[in-house]
Amino acid sequence: AQSVSQHNHHVILSEAASLELGCNYSYGGTVNLFWYVQYPGQHLQLLLKYFSGDPLVKGIKGFEAEFIKSKFSFNLRKPSVQWSDTAEYFCAVNAPRTGGFKTIFGAGTRLFVKA
Amino acid sequence: DAGVTQSPTHLIKTRGQQVTLRCSPKSGHDTVSWYQQALGQGPQFIFQYYEEEERQRGNFPDRFSGHQFPNYSSELNVNALLLGDSALYLCASSLQKGTGDGRSYEQYFGPGTRLTVT
Repeated sequence: AQSVSQHNHHVILSEAASLELGCNYSYGGTVNLFWYVQYPGQHLQLLLKYFSGDPLVKGIKGFEAEFIKSKFSFNLRKPSVQWSDTAEYFCAVNAPRTGGFKTIFGAGTRLFVKA
Repeated sequence: DAGVTQSPTHLIKTRGQQVTLRCSPKSGHDTVSWYQQALGQGPQFIFQYYEEEERQRGNFPDRFSGHQFPNYSSELNVNALLLGDSALYLCASSLQKGTGDGRSYEQYFGPGTRLTVT
């Protein structure tokens, strides 16, 4: 079955620490990949997306993600986190050929950044 | 430019009742998807509407149904509510780009409707 796995459910970091959140998916073929963020009390917002081309994708607020096709991975990174990055992060995938229009989300990673 | 709007914000219903949730897509978007987000989980795809028809459905029973209107707004209906239907219901709108295997779309989410079934 098509699935998306996020390795860490909870992450606690101090400000200025580096962040890497893992995401693996089980789709074959062409995929569209996304990272969404949900700040406390706010709705889901798109951080970054990958459709094709350069596998290193830069998003908003200094986030970036790398698509590694051979590993079925799309990990999210940020060199130096801030207290305001405290939020829940979701990896999501859709695969037009194998999954149609359905987007599958991971279970999410709750990030808490200590000031 | 208004983003995706949903109504109501919160709703409390009793088991067995029926509920209708509403969504207005972002301006220029023609596709609406509905998701259920249970506490502590990621959003689960319910179905997607395009050109006033349901074009794909996730693993949800027939108690979940929907509709899309000519102005692209959409409704989600849930009949015979169960306690397990308590969740945040999210609407996402998008505009498809490309065709076939190359199609892609970027979804914009609304704030959600928090449904509590007692």
